Amino acid sequence: SQQGEEDPQALSIQEGENATMNCSYKTSINNLQWYRQNSGRGLVHLILIRSNEREKHSGRLRVTLDTSKKSSSLLITASRAADTASYFCATEKNTGRRALTFGSGTRLQVQP
Amino acid sequence: NAGVTQTPKFQVLKTGQSMTLQCAQDMNHEYMSWYRQDPGMGLRLIHYSVGAGITDQGEVPNGYNVSRSTTEDFPLRLLSAAPSQTSVYFCASRNTGVGYTFGSGTRLTVV
Repeated sequence: SQQGEEDPQALSIQEGENATMNCSYKTSINNLQWYRQNSGRGLVHLILIRSNEREKHSGRLRVTLDTSKKSSSLLITASRAADTASYFCATEKNTGRRALTFGSGTRLQVQP
Repeated sequence: NAGVTQTPKFQVLKTGQSMTLQCAQDMNHEYMSWYRQDPGMGLRLIHYSVGAGITDQGEVPNGYNVSRSTTEDFPLRLLSAAPSQTSVYFCASRNTGVGYTFGSGTRLTVV
């Protein structure tokens, strides 16, 4: 079963706009990670945020984590056509299991 | 190049056949895991390992076996292939404190 839901399932924006994707999860976590997947390709790690962190930045990416609401968001600023991809959140549970439980993903289309 | 190597990239099996999907990493990562991705969906965990000699089941383990005799290798065995196992399979590895590195995937079709 999936850990949670991502919202929206699909997002279409213009180049230069910001894109925000949300993720909810169900159980206590050790950390939450965001990945990008280009069509037909493998997944690329974007950012990891630990359960005791609330916000993290990496280049044009900003991730927030609210453990009380069991939710996270990924903000991509000043989007580019090359950002077109599917984005997945994934959690490592707080049980010692070192593997990921994925959300269903958001398909982002950035129009040039 | 450092990373996670999966072989083969494509495979067609007949129902009932068995095969092994290979996964190797050269980064000395402790944690390795196998996932399957069905069309339009996220990844689901099949099996995982926290070190050589230690494996455990994920969410969808039925029909698959794994072993971890070395740190580098984590093969996934399909015991008797079924059409429901048609999917794209990804292997991933990481160490503490960093995100996972994923292989490029094996696209498996069972006819």
